[in-house]
Amino acid sequence: QKEVEQNSGPLSVPEGAIASLNCTYSDRVSQSFFWYRQYSGKSPELIMSIYSNGDKEDGRFTAQLNKASQYVSLLIRDSQPSDSATYLCAVPARQLTFGSGTQLTVLP
Amino acid sequence: GAVVSQHPSWVICKSGTSVKIECRSLDFQATTMFWYRQFPKQSLMLMATSNEGSKATYEQGVEKDKFLINHASLTLSTLTVTSAHPEDSSFYICSAKPQGFSVRNTEAFFGQGTRLTVV
Repeated sequence: QKEVEQNSGPLSVPEGAIASLNCTYSDRVSQSFFWYRQYSGKSPELIMSIYSNGDKEDGRFTAQLNKASQYVSLLIRDSQPSDSATYLCAVPARQLTFGSGTQLTVLP
Repeated sequence: GAVVSQHPSWVICKSGTSVKIECRSLDFQATTMFWYRQFPKQSLMLMATSNEGSKATYEQGVEKDKFLINHASLTLSTLTVTSAHPEDSSFYICSAKPQGFSVRNTEAFFGQGTRLTVV
C-alpha cells in the first residue's frame, strides 16, 4: 500500500461549483497533513495545513481530517478557473511524502 | 514565509556534460534539504535528503555517483547531474525545512524548480 494515495482524476468542475479532493494515508501516527497546489511548470505551494480532526477553513478552502479513517480532504468552494492546477496531499513521515496528485480543471 | 531560492530556473545542456543546481534558504538556516525530481504529469519523487556537513541519503534507485549532492553550509545545497543524458531531462525541485523543526511538524519550503533539458 502506498503511504499516501489520492484520487488521481483528472477532475473537472464548472466555475462556481465545489471541487472535492481526497487523500488517504497509511501511517496512523501522522500528526500533520498538508495540501499543496502546483501549477504547470511551477513548484508546489502550500495552501492548507491541518493537524486536528475536523474541519479547517481558510477562505474558499476547507480541509477535513478524519484520523480514525486515515482520510484527509480538500474542498474548494466557488471554484475559479485560476484554481485549475494539480493538488498534492502530503504527509510527513521520514520525509514529506506526496500523493500522486489530482489534476483539477475548472471550466469557465 | 520562509524563502528558498533555486538557481537556475532552467538549463539546456549537451549530453555528457554536467550541470549544477543550487538551492539556498534565504532567511532561515536549513540543516536538511530535499531534492525531488518530477517527470511530466507525475508527482514529486524524492531523490535524496541532504544533510549539512554529512553525506546525503539517497532513495532507492537513485545513483549517488550520478547525482552528486553537497550541503556545505546551513543555507546552501547543490545537486550536480554528472554526465547528463536525455533521460535525465526533468523538473528538479529542492525543499528545505528550518533548523530545529522536525519534518512531522512543519511544511517544506520549496524552491522555484529547475527545468533541465539534455540534448
